[in-house]
Amino acid sequence: GGIITQTPKFLIGQEGQKLTLKCQQNFNHDTMYWYRQDSGKGLRLIYYSITENDLQKGDLSEGYDASREKKSSFSLTVTSAQKNEMAVFLCASSMQISYEQYFGPGTRLTVL
Amino acid sequence: GDSVTQTEGQVALSEEDFLTIHCNYSASGYPTLFWYVQYPGEGPQLLFRASRDKEKGSSRGFEATYDKGTTSFHLRKASVQESDSAVYYCALSDRGGNEKITFGAGTKLTIKP
Repeated sequence: GGIITQTPKFLIGQEGQKLTLKCQQNFNHDTMYWYRQDSGKGLRLIYYSITENDLQKGDLSEGYDASREKKSSFSLTVTSAQKNEMAVFLCASSMQISYEQYFGPGTRLTVL
Repeated sequence: GDSVTQTEGQVALSEEDFLTIHCNYSASGYPTLFWYVQYPGEGPQLLFRASRDKEKGSSRGFEATYDKGTTSFHLRKASVQESDSAVYYCALSDRGGNEKITFGAGTKLTIKP
């Protein structure tokens, strides 16, 4: 078995602030993902990475940067936080072939 | 692009009722289909998946059959329990070398005791 750890669990920032969310996995999975989940809504893909140092944009990448320096970690940066970005950010990982995704518990972002 | 449509945004049932959540998809290729479940305060977790036409996926009493003809993957359970209350997501994975998954909007299931 394995686990995905997201830090911090709660993130509070000011409007316009640059904020970073971190994700670690010990599944030894190749592919990692960042999703945004707005209250009562589905999951929207922000960025994903199919291997170390690779980055692919999802449907919601504007306003975000991502970084995959190691196979086990994937960071997401909110470049200038806005109130309409308040949501839960979910990290996930998968083996390249099986496509099953394993999710972390999420980071809840509040923008003041 | 690929898309997944879940007809019901919310479903409210009583214990032992029969459940159906409808899922239809649109994809250019031959996708793998998934059902995920998300409990409050947690990330989604895989319920089951199916990769071929007529394949049935099942887990914990839930089941769905891949139907390429009607492009559907409806979730069913014969007798729901209060512990089944959660949000259910239908999803598809493009098998053309692209690693991403497309999720439906989700269906919130509430079971009254």
